[in-house]
Amino acid sequence: ELKVEQNPLFLSMQEGKNYTIYCNYSTTSDRLYWYRQDPGKSLESLFVLLSNGAVKQEGRLMASLDTKARLSTLHITAAVHDLSATYFCAVDISAGGTSYGKLTFGQGTILTVHP
Amino acid sequence: NAGVTQTPKFRILKIGQSMTLQCAQDMNHNYMYWYRQDPGMGLKLIYYSVGAGITDKGEVPNGYNVSRSTTEDFPLRLELAAPSQTSVYFCASRYTQNTGELFFGEGSRLTVL
Repeated sequence: ELKVEQNPLFLSMQEGKNYTIYCNYSTTSDRLYWYRQDPGKSLESLFVLLSNGAVKQEGRLMASLDTKARLSTLHITAAVHDLSATYFCAVDISAGGTSYGKLTFGQGTILTVHP
Repeated sequence: NAGVTQTPKFRILKIGQSMTLQCAQDMNHNYMYWYRQDPGMGLKLIYYSVGAGITDKGEVPNGYNVSRSTTEDFPLRLELAAPSQTSVYFCASRYTQNTGELFFGEGSRLTVL
């Protein structure tokens, strides 16, 4: 059974600081996704990571994937209040190379950025 | 574009009642999914479909049924509602290509009392 674990689960940051959210998973996969969810809202896609060593950046967020270590990171640079949300990583297990998009989600990291 | 549309947004059911959550997408996606999200948790896959007439179970299918008669629609049926089915339900869709993110609807919040 695939397990996806995020840490920390709760993150309180000051504006302007840097921090990293970690996503570990238990089974081989080369497809990992990061989503953002605001309270009471749907999930918004942030990053799609499709190979070992993939790195993507958007604004103050940067995501990377190390498939050998079964680890993805979401790095936050110079946090601002607007980044306050819950962040999920999700892993896609490919069956024979075909992806059906069946994602297993981590528990989520609740990020609060305060002045 | 409307994207993925779910109805209703909120519903309260009594134990033993049945209902259908509706999901429609206008992006011509072949792949569609139903997930549930319990408080403070990640999403868990209930059922998915890779095209009209084709459905399969996900991680937590018990107590639910689905059908996929058209590419656009993927309703989720709850039979004999139980308090354990109190959750937020998300429908999602994706292109058939081998990669790419899922697009999620706004969610349907269901309470079973």
